[in-house]
Amino acid sequence: GENVEQHPSTLSVQEGDSAVIKCTYSDSASNYFPWYKQELGKRPQLIIDIRSNVGEKKDQRIAVTLNKTAKHFSLHITETQPEDSAVYFCAASTGTASKLTFGTGTRLQVTL
Amino acid sequence: DTAVSQTPKYLVTQMGNDKSIKCEQNLGHDTMYWYKQDSKKFLKIMFSYNNKELIINETVPNRFSPKSPDKAHLNLHINSLELGDSAVYFCASSALGTDTQYFGPGTRLTVL
Repeated sequence: GENVEQHPSTLSVQEGDSAVIKCTYSDSASNYFPWYKQELGKRPQLIIDIRSNVGEKKDQRIAVTLNKTAKHFSLHITETQPEDSAVYFCAASTGTASKLTFGTGTRLQVTL
Repeated sequence: DTAVSQTPKYLVTQMGNDKSIKCEQNLGHDTMYWYKQDSKKFLKIMFSYNNKELIINETVPNRFSPKSPDKAHLNLHINSLELGDSAVYFCASSALGTDTQYFGPGTRLTVL
């Protein structure tokens, strides 16, 4: 089955700096890669996703890149703000009505 | 509000009891899921139903039984609760032909 690894497990950055979280996946059939943000005591919320026919996607301060050959995908957050502090999860799936296999999460702390 | 909702939000019970968690979505989605998030924040799929039919059943003890009375509801019944069942259980849903999953607010189950 699919295995998703995520690094780092914790990340501390100063406000205004950039943050990068990296994931690798094992199943070459995976074609959908969402990123979720989970604040303490809250539900995972989708912040951005990318499909295998695209190499990069950007939404304001957030971008995701995908390297299908290397089976890597990454989340980039620029100009970080304190409200970006949360746990971020990457995930992979093989498409519609398929399970999401999650990474182990990255706790991002943005300090003033 | 259009959303995925779960009841109860918190559930505290004794070992050996039987309990149920309810999930409803009014998004018109066809596929619903149950995920378990343990104390280390690992998120893992348990079950998935598509239009009331079971399509994913991960290696979950048969003390856990999902029930989908209609495509807007997916309930989770747990028999003979054990200490290791303590976790946050998230329901999610996705629309037909899409892979984006939306999560409910979670149910924190504590088994004493």
